[in-house]
Amino acid sequence: GDSVTQMEGPVTLSEEAFLTINCTYTATGYPSLFWYVQYPGEGLQLLLKATKADDKGSNKGFEATYRKETTSFHLEKGSVQVSDSAVYFCALSDVKDTGRRALTFGSGTRLQVQP
Amino acid sequence: DAGVIQSPRHEVTEMGQEVTLRCKPISGHNSLFWYRQTMMRGLELLIYFNNNVPIDDSGMPEDRFSAKMPNASFSTLKIQPSEPRDSAVYFCASSSRGQNTEAFFGQGTRLTVV
Repeated sequence: GDSVTQMEGPVTLSEEAFLTINCTYTATGYPSLFWYVQYPGEGLQLLLKATKADDKGSNKGFEATYRKETTSFHLEKGSVQVSDSAVYFCALSDVKDTGRRALTFGSGTRLQVQP
Repeated sequence: DAGVIQSPRHEVTEMGQEVTLRCKPISGHNSLFWYRQTMMRGLELLIYFNNNVPIDDSGMPEDRFSAKMPNASFSTLKIQPSEPRDSAVYFCASSSRGQNTEAFFGQGTRLTVV
């Protein structure tokens, strides 16, 4: 079945440091890929998405590129801020031959940014 | 649009009691998901509806859990009887049809069973 693997957290960085959170996936079809962010006490919010190979999703300084050859969708940001501290989830969406949609999430990576 | 609305935000109940969580999806969305989030198990899909019909309930832990979607604007997740291990944050999410569309999450219901 489909699966998403993320790097274990927490990731602790100083403000203005470069961020990479690794994400790889396994899917039988040709999925769409997403990054969600969850701030404390809130639900998940979409951060960015990519729907086909080599697409780059971007939002709020975050970027991720859909790499079909390596089945990866790593999240990057050039300069993190304290306000970026949150839990980040990688996810894939795939529609099976049966028409059933699968929306599969990784385990989440907690990012802590220190001033 | 107000987004996905869940109620209550917090629920504390005693073991053995019935608990009902409620969700109002975004108008026009035809897919609805119930997730459970715990520290130990992360985010787990419990059940997913398409056009009010349950499509995949393989994630429902056991018969104590049941979910309904009587119409396009309302869904419930019921636990009867509740147990302490059911304590978690329960999220409802909705989306439009198609794999390219993102799911929009509610703020969750934090359930504590004592």
